[in-house]
Amino acid sequence: SYELTQALSVSVALGQTATITCEGNNIGSKSVHWYQQKPGQAPVLVIYRDTNRPSGIPERISGSNSGSTATLTISRAQVGDEAEFYCQVWDGSPAVFGGGTKLTVL
Amino acid sequence: EVQLVESGGGLVQPGGSLKLSCAASGFSFSGSAVHWVRQASGKGLEWVGRIKIKADKYATEYAASVKGRFTISRDDSKNTAYLQLNSLRTEDTAMYYCTRLGAPADALDIWGQGTMVTVSS
Repeated sequence: SYELTQALSVSVALGQTATITCEGNNIGSKSVHWYQQKPGQAPVLVIYRDTNRPSGIPERISGSNSGSTATLTISRAQVGDEAEFYCQVWDGSPAVFGGGTKLTVL
Repeated sequence: EVQLVESGGGLVQPGGSLKLSCAASGFSFSGSAVHWVRQASGKGLEWVGRIKIKADKYATEYAASVKGRFTISRDDSKNTAYLQLNSLRTEDTAMYYCTRLGAPADALDIWGQGTMVTVSS
């Protein structure tokens, strides 16, 4: 079955740019979706189909996908961005999630 | 308001059963596939299964870890999806979320707040 690998944690200084990666075999040929989950809350879709933002998601959040790595970028990081981030692809019908990356804003 | 609201979670003994509900409002429920995702405490997201729409014959599919024990159904007249959990194991203890597969995003764009299932003697 398909697997997605994420770093356990990423730290970023306040106001700087955070980069969260998601690795998978030829992931660039798949559509990647990203979810943000804050403590005690349900996940929220922040990027769909590699680069698209749902309504209400700030332009500071962007995505890309190529080769074996998909990337979520958060510019001008704020304390309110602290959360767990999950990448996800479809492996046929089942959804496959990465293990999640905890973003800490210092 | 577009939302999904789960209910039915609780404490159950190993080997027991539970039926979760997912009530939808604010969008065309009958036109949307519904997925269930669970999350054990302190762990990541795990896909449980999904049910498609009537046009796709309400086709279901399940994760290997729950296949044969869990059943997803829906009642479009009530805008509600269900997750029947049978032969429960301690490792099924988790928060269970229902989610909508949105179009054209092809992503899980609406999530409920979750309902907690605890399997313990």
